[in-house]
Amino acid sequence: DIVMTQFPLSLPVTPGEPASISCRSSQSLLHSNGYNYLHWYLQRPGRSPHLLIYGGSNRASGVPDRFSGSGSGTDFTLKISRVEAEDVGVYYCMQGLQTPWTFGLGTKLEIK
Amino acid sequence: EVHLVESGGGLVQPGGSLRLSCAASGFTFSGYYMTWIRQTPGKGLEWVANINPYGSETYSVDSVKGRFTLSRDNAKNSLYLQMNSLRAEDTAIYYCAKDGGRAGPNYWGQGTLVTVSS
Repeated sequence: DIVMTQFPLSLPVTPGEPASISCRSSQSLLHSNGYNYLHWYLQRPGRSPHLLIYGGSNRASGVPDRFSGSGSGTDFTLKISRVEAEDVGVYYCMQGLQTPWTFGLGTKLEIK
Repeated sequence: EVHLVESGGGLVQPGGSLRLSCAASGFTFSGYYMTWIRQTPGKGLEWVANINPYGSETYSVDSVKGRFTLSRDNAKNSLYLQMNSLRAEDTAIYYCAKDGGRAGPNYWGQGTLVTVSS
């Protein structure tokens, strides 16, 4: 199984400041078709996860442009250019290259 | 708007059975793979199983093979997860999700809680 490692596990951020979360996979997520099967989700408190970024760098519908994803192969980053209060929650990366799909343990973003 | 509503969760004894349902709306259900994902405080998010649009192929994590059966009824826009021989470690919130292909699970329901305990 592909192991997904996220860091940091906890991320206190001042509103208006940037934030960055890293995700590393135990195997390359770059398919021969050139697509990275790496997705980012946010789970707000008490809610189900929702898709933020797919394919490593594509924002899902309705996601603010302060969120961006980058990386390829085994190393990926989610960046928030200016954190807002509504960004509080747990961020997960997930690989969809091969079953079983696997998730990172999550990064809890909190407001300072 | 995509809407997924799970039901059927509850308290069941070890070795018991439960059938989860997921009612889908807002998209052409018969055109998409569907997925079950579960979440526990200890293990986090875990993909459970996928089913193809026709219901003819399913894929599941090793820990549920032979115990869980995934099915769908495209006429009813519904997804099902039959869970047998339940164990304490199956205790989790179970989410159904629409599979967006390259986008992965792109819409999730609100989840239904399954508790396996005597």
